Amino acid sequence: RKEVEQDPGPFNVPEGATVAFNCTYSNSASQSFFWYRQDCRKEPKLLMSVYSSGNEDGRFTAQLNRASQYISLLIRDSKLSDSATYLCVVNFRGGSQGNLIFGKGTKLSVKP
Amino acid sequence: NAGVTQTPKFRVLKTGQSMTLLCAQDMNHEYMYWYRQDPGMGLRLIHYSVGEGTTAKGEVPDGYNVSRLKKQNFLLGLESAAPSQTSVYFCASSSTRDTEAFFGQGTRLTVV
Repeated sequence: RKEVEQDPGPFNVPEGATVAFNCTYSNSASQSFFWYRQDCRKEPKLLMSVYSSGNEDGRFTAQLNRASQYISLLIRDSKLSDSATYLCVVNFRGGSQGNLIFGKGTKLSVKP
Repeated sequence: NAGVTQTPKFRVLKTGQSMTLLCAQDMNHEYMYWYRQDPGMGLRLIHYSVGEGTTAKGEVPDGYNVSRLKKQNFLLGLESAAPSQTSVYFCASSSTRDTEAFFGQGTRLTVV
């Protein structure tokens, strides 16, 4: 089983739509969880951290389910500027993977 | 706010040539990382460092060497470049193993 798995998409949605991304991780000892955003030919940038109680930042809501080892990101009222690849990131304890393991990303395209 | 700075931003090498990529961070972070990103493969960790004078192998270390002589700098070396090392290279840093990573703008390397 891969460490961090995401649906690669692409997700093609109209402006104003609500879209949800899911991510599963394999290391039950993981303690930190993040969503990053990466624009084409740019570096990944932190979108939001994910806390056990769930957290919201404007139109973005992140949820964590430790029992199922599952993370989600919900984007409401999608904007054209939300078009990007969204990376699920989990910290990993041990092995040769370093500390942060990145999923391959889910591509979102918001259309007018 | 410089954050993480990578040099150079672009480079073309001939097979067998060597080069060094420089990463500098001004956030006093302990942890630094080198990733490569290839289409369909996501971000893969090459090497990382948990503090000045330390380095460790990541997922894909072969063909690369690193050094962390100063806390703020993390160098990635290619001793004998191969076409398989054509990629986008990202450096990142974080304050601890559980906190978010900040990325440099990337280096686009082509080996011909």
